[in-house]
Amino acid sequence: TQLLEQSPQFLSIQEGENLTVYCNSSSVFSSLQWYRQEPGEGPVLLVTVVTGGEVKKLKRLTFQFGDARKDSSLHITAAQPGDTGLYLCAAAFNAGGTSYGKLTFGQGTILTVHP
Amino acid sequence: DAGVTQSPTHLIKTRGQQVTLRCSPKSGHDTVSWYQQALGQGPQFIFQYYEEEERQRGNFPDRFSGHQFPNYSSELNVNALLLGDSALYLCASSRFETGNSQPQHFGDGTRLSIL
Repeated sequence: TQLLEQSPQFLSIQEGENLTVYCNSSSVFSSLQWYRQEPGEGPVLLVTVVTGGEVKKLKRLTFQFGDARKDSSLHITAAQPGDTGLYLCAAAFNAGGTSYGKLTFGQGTILTVHP
Repeated sequence: DAGVTQSPTHLIKTRGQQVTLRCSPKSGHDTVSWYQQALGQGPQFIFQYYEEEERQRGNFPDRFSGHQFPNYSSELNVNALLLGDSALYLCASSRFETGNSQPQHFGDGTRLSIL
């Protein structure tokens, strides 16, 4: 059974601060996705990373995929109250060269940014 | 272009009853996955349907069953409801293809409460 460990579970910061969320596994990912979810809504895809060492930027968000494809991080620069939400990492673990897209999720990081 | 739609948005049932949840995938998508999300946790994979067949299944009992129709829409059925089945049930759709990088698009879920 592949597991994803996400940390921290809770993060409460002031507007303007930087933060990093981590996602780790003992197994190699085929790909990893980061989602953001707000109360009463479904998760919304932020980014997909597939190549070891890959770095992607989305405005103030920077996503990194570890070289060994077992870990990933999400860094937010100068956080704003609008960044508040549940951040989820989700990995696909390749099964025999084909995939049906099953995702294994971390437990999530609840981020609160205070004005 | 409609995204993933789920119905109903909220549902209240009592223990022992049966429930059917419905999902219409995003236009152009042919694969539907169902997830269960407990409050404050990451979603857990229930099962996935492609070409009207269950392709993968997570660690859920046989009380959880599903169906996919020729128009790619899907239903999730849960029998003999337990208090622990109370959760947000999310439907996600994607295009089937080999490899793991295809993104999944989520609906806003059905909030199921068991009394």
